Amino acid sequence: DGGITQSPKYLFRKEGQNVTLSCEQNLNHDAMYWYRQDPGQGLRLIYYSQIVNDFQKGDIAEGYSVSREKKESFPLTVTSAQKNPTAFYLCASSILGQAYNEQFFGPGTRLTVL
Amino acid sequence: QQQVKQSPQSLIVQKGGISIINCAYENTAFDYFPWYQQFPGKGPALLIAIRPDVSEKKEGRFTISFNKSAKQFSLHIMDSQPGDSATYFCAARQPLLTGGGNKLTFGTGTQLKVEL
Repeated sequence: DGGITQSPKYLFRKEGQNVTLSCEQNLNHDAMYWYRQDPGQGLRLIYYSQIVNDFQKGDIAEGYSVSREKKESFPLTVTSAQKNPTAFYLCASSILGQAYNEQFFGPGTRLTVL
Repeated sequence: QQQVKQSPQSLIVQKGGISIINCAYENTAFDYFPWYQQFPGKGPALLIAIRPDVSEKKEGRFTISFNKSAKQFSLHIMDSQPGDSATYFCAARQPLLTGGGNKLTFGTGTQLKVEL
C-alpha cells in the first residue's frame, strides 16, 4: 500500500520539551513538506525538502527543525523555542520535474502542549 | 499577509443544493490552482485542480470556474450530498526557483455542512 505515514497520531508535550514528529513515504517522491494547520488559518508551510540532505525554510520555520537523511523520511522537531506549538501537523510529498505535480498528504499528527 | 483569500468560512446547504466557495489571489506567479477536501482528523486530499489557461473544469459534481483577469476562482458542488460535508481548501501553486519543486499557498478553508 503506497502512501505517507505519520506517527504518532496524537502527541502530548510538556512546555520546554522538544518533540519529533515522524513522516515516512513509500511513493518514491523526491520532495517532502511539513505544514501546520490551525483553526481558521488554513495550512502554512514550515519546511520543505527537494533532495536528500537539503531543505529550506517555509513561511513559519521559527522554532522548528528538520532533517532529510533518507529519501523516504522527513522528521520534524518542534523545539522549546516554538511559542505556540499546539496544532495539527501535516506532512506531504510530491514528485519533481513535472508540471502540475500533486502534493499528497499524510493523516497528520495532533500535538498538544500541556 | 494572506495571499489566497477564501470565503465563506462556513456554509450550510440543503441536500441536492449547490455549494459555492470562492477564492481570490494577488500573486501572478501562481500557475496552478488545486482544491483540497479534508475530513475531520484526516489529511487533505486533492479534489480537483485547474490551470490558469482554462476557464472551467468539471469532474462529476465538482466544477472549478476560473477568472484570470479578476484573479478569482471558485468551486461549485452540484447536487450536494451529506457525504460532501467536509472542510474545503483552495490553494495556489508557484514553482520554486530551483529544484523543480513547488510551493502551495492555502486559503483559510470553508467548513461545508450538507443537511438532509
